[in-house]
Amino acid sequence: GAVVSQHPSWVICKSGTSVKIECRSLDFQATTMFWYRQFPKQSLMLMATSNEGSKATYEQGVEKDKFLINHASLTLSTLTVTSAHPEDSSFYICSAAGTGLGEQYFGPGTRLTVT
Amino acid sequence: GEDVEQSLFLSVREGDSSVINCTYTDSSSTYLYWYKQEPGAGLQLLTYIFSNMDMKQDQRLTVLLNKKDKHLSLRIADTQTGDSAIYFCAERTDKLIFGTGTRLQVFP
Repeated sequence: GAVVSQHPSWVICKSGTSVKIECRSLDFQATTMFWYRQFPKQSLMLMATSNEGSKATYEQGVEKDKFLINHASLTLSTLTVTSAHPEDSSFYICSAAGTGLGEQYFGPGTRLTVT
Repeated sequence: GEDVEQSLFLSVREGDSSVINCTYTDSSSTYLYWYKQEPGAGLQLLTYIFSNMDMKQDQRLTVLLNKKDKHLSLRIADTQTGDSAIYFCAERTDKLIFGTGTRLQVFP
């Protein structure tokens, strides 16, 4: 299957700082990328969907000014958590879908800890 | 509404078959998926089925879909200890909605 990478795999930051997470599709062009967050022992919750060159569509309850998403190319999307707080600590997973029917591939996740 | 339910836990003996069940509510789902997540890792796509199919087999994996009852199952034949993980079903409507996840534990 296709490969999606994320960087960093884990990050610790102080409250009030911003953190950027990168998501790359390594061997296919991702027309759509998704960002999820997962709390311990819970399912994945979709935060936002982005199409290359367009503004992201955020799910209800997700603050777009806090979670900035940029999908500048067909292989790269970034999620920036601005003014991070301890409650933003979570596992963030990106996913990418190409133009093929039905398949959506996931990155390995980024564990964010805000102290 | 969008609601995908799974049982939380399943324990099986190595070599037996495992059956993980999933129910969903949105009849407009186009595809249904099974993903595997190992501790601290992302999701691995195991298999998916188009909504107009009722069965798909891929090596040790068999997916059964009962669209009338909105019920999806994943059968793993000859379950191995390496199959221990959390399994998520997901349905695709205009987005991918995940189930609550089933933790599969395989004991020798």
